Amino acid sequence: EPEVTQTPSHQVTQMGQEVILRCVPISNHLYFYWYRQILGQKVEFLVSFYNNEISEKSEIFDDQFSVERPDGSNFTLKIRSTKLEDSAMYFCASSPRQAHGEQYFGPGTRLTVT
Amino acid sequence: ELKVEQNPLFLSMQEGKNYTIYCNYSTTSDRLYWYRQDPGKSLESLFVLLSNGAVKQEGRLMASLDTKARLSTLHITAAVHDLSATYFCAVGDFGNEKLTFGTGTRLTIIP
Repeated sequence: EPEVTQTPSHQVTQMGQEVILRCVPISNHLYFYWYRQILGQKVEFLVSFYNNEISEKSEIFDDQFSVERPDGSNFTLKIRSTKLEDSAMYFCASSPRQAHGEQYFGPGTRLTVT
Repeated sequence: ELKVEQNPLFLSMQEGKNYTIYCNYSTTSDRLYWYRQDPGKSLESLFVLLSNGAVKQEGRLMASLDTKARLSTLHITAAVHDLSATYFCAVGDFGNEKLTFGTGTRLTIIP
């Protein structure tokens, strides 16, 4: 069964460093998402991406964040200068279609900023 | 702004008992999802509810949606230990793609 994959599973970085989190969505899906979950808290929407551009973003997704689909299969989330409060689990999700389309989540990348 | 509330936040119950988790949301929505999350793991889709009165069942879990009351319930029948996990509801806003998640209900089934 097709699934969303994410790498790395765990990333440790120092404050101020750039990180790139990688995702491979399900191959025939068209809509891509990033969510984050701070330890013990609820899942929060960051950004949605369709047709090679951001379609929606939350207030969390500020200028330090960017997304890209560099090669037609990978979907990346970049944090330019990490802060301690960026420590969280980051989930990628994909959907075959907008609205009413179930979002399939990847296993997540745990980001620890020290 | 869409707000989603779940209760209870924590639920400890004995095997064999029945219980219900509630998910309330603040504005009209066109879709609601239930997810299960095991510790340190990803979100596993359980149910997709798209219309008023929708009821779906899988094993010991049954989910329902009342769009007029802006309420969804996840009912657990004759709980077993394997159902121990955190359960999230997630609500989609009309006209946009993001899902707004509830706070989650951490369910612990005691033998």
